[in-house]
Amino acid sequence: GENVEQHPSTLSVQEGDSAVIKCTYSDSASNYFPWYKQELGKGPQLIIDIRSNVGEKKDQRIAVTLNKTAKHFSLHITETQPEDSAVYFCAAFSGYALNFGKGTSLLVTP
Amino acid sequence: GAGVSQTPSNKVTEKGKYVELRCDPISGHTALYWYRQSLGQGPEFLIYFQGTGAADDSGLPNDRFFAVRPEGSVSTLKIQRTERGDSAVYLCASSLSAGNGYTFGSGTRLTVV
Repeated sequence: GENVEQHPSTLSVQEGDSAVIKCTYSDSASNYFPWYKQELGKGPQLIIDIRSNVGEKKDQRIAVTLNKTAKHFSLHITETQPEDSAVYFCAAFSGYALNFGKGTSLLVTP
Repeated sequence: GAGVSQTPSNKVTEKGKYVELRCDPISGHTALYWYRQSLGQGPEFLIYFQGTGAADDSGLPNDRFFAVRPEGSVSTLKIQRTERGDSAVYLCASSLSAGNGYTFGSGTRLTVV
């Protein structure tokens, strides 16, 4: 089955700096790659996604890049704010379901 | 409703008891998923429904776990003879169809004592 690896597991940045989270996947048939933000006590919330026919997608301060050949994709958050602090999960769609990475705990310090 | 609703939000049960967890998806979403999330881990796939039928139940850990979606809307995850290792947050998600963005509920935190 699909295996999704996510790095780093924790990330601390100062407010205003950029944050980058990277993921790799194993199944070359995977064709949909969403990113989720999870705050304490809540379910994961979709923040951005990308399909395999696109190399990059941007939504305000958030961007995602996909390298299908290398089977890796990354989340970029610019001008980070304290409210960006949360756990972020990457996922890859394979078969019938999303397979998630183990998460990155992002802390943005003022 | 506006989002995915899961009840109860918290459930404490004794080892060996039977529990039912309910998920009410977004109206019109034909795809429904159950995931389990342990502390510090990503969500782990359990089962996928397309309409009323379970299209993929390969993530259910053993035969103590069962899920139904009799009318293609509300789903119930059932766990028999609960064990302490079943303690986790059980998340439900729905989407318009498979391969599209999921909307997750807030989950049910199950604690088996």
